[in-house]
Amino acid sequence: DAGVTQSPTHLIKTRGQQVTLRCSPKSGHDTVSWYQQALGQGPQFIFQYYEEEERQRGNFPDRFSGHQFPNYSSELNVNALLLGDSALYLCASSLGSTTLQYFGPGTRLTVT
Amino acid sequence: GEDVEQSLFLSVREGDSSVINCTYTDSSSTYLYWYKQEPGAGLQLLTYIFSNMDMKQDQRLTVLLNKKDKHLSLRIADTQTGDSAIYFCAESIRTGGSYIPTFGRGTSLIVHP
Repeated sequence: DAGVTQSPTHLIKTRGQQVTLRCSPKSGHDTVSWYQQALGQGPQFIFQYYEEEERQRGNFPDRFSGHQFPNYSSELNVNALLLGDSALYLCASSLGSTTLQYFGPGTRLTVT
Repeated sequence: GEDVEQSLFLSVREGDSSVINCTYTDSSSTYLYWYKQEPGAGLQLLTYIFSNMDMKQDQRLTVLLNKKDKHLSLRIADTQTGDSAIYFCAESIRTGGSYIPTFGRGTSLIVHP
C-alpha cells in the first residue's frame, strides 16, 4: 500500500522564479492538504483540495496556488519566489472530511 | 483563535519515561494529535484523541487530555534512542466541512544512553 509521495525531494530556485511541487495521495484517499514548514517551526496550513476544488485556505498570499487532478494527485505552485519561501513543503492526504491526515516526506525548497 | 504551545526541548536517559506537554487555546477543538518527525523526514501520525476522552493508551504511548486546563500530554514508556525526534502537538476543529490541524512548534526529544 503506497503512502503519500512527493516530488522532487529537493529544489533550488532563484528569487522571482516560479516552482511547481507534486504530490500523490495515499491509496484510497481523495483529499490533499499542503503545508509549509519553516526551519524550527511547525507546519503551517496552506490549502486543501477535495473533488478538484480548493476547499479551505490558510493565511497565504495568492502567489500560492494549487490544483487537484481527477486521480486525486495535486500540485502546489508558487509564483514570484521570495527568500522567505524557503521551507519544507509537506503534502498530506486524507479521506473526505475525516480527521486523520497522513504526510509525505516533503519537498525541501531553497530560494537564493 | 487557535494557538498551540510546547516546550522546545526534552532530554531523557534511555529506558526512562518521557513526558511531552502541550497547551492549546481553542476550547472547541474536536481532535488533538501527536505527530513525530525524524530528521529530514515528513510527519508520522503517532496517535490522536477525541475531545470527549481523558486518556488513550497505545503500546508504549499514553495520551492524557485535561480539557478544563486545555492541556495535552504524551508519555513514552521505556524511551529508546530510536524515539529521538521532534514531536508535534496539534489541535483541530471542524470548519468548512473538514478538520485542519494547527501545530505547535514541536518538542525536540533527545534520548541519551
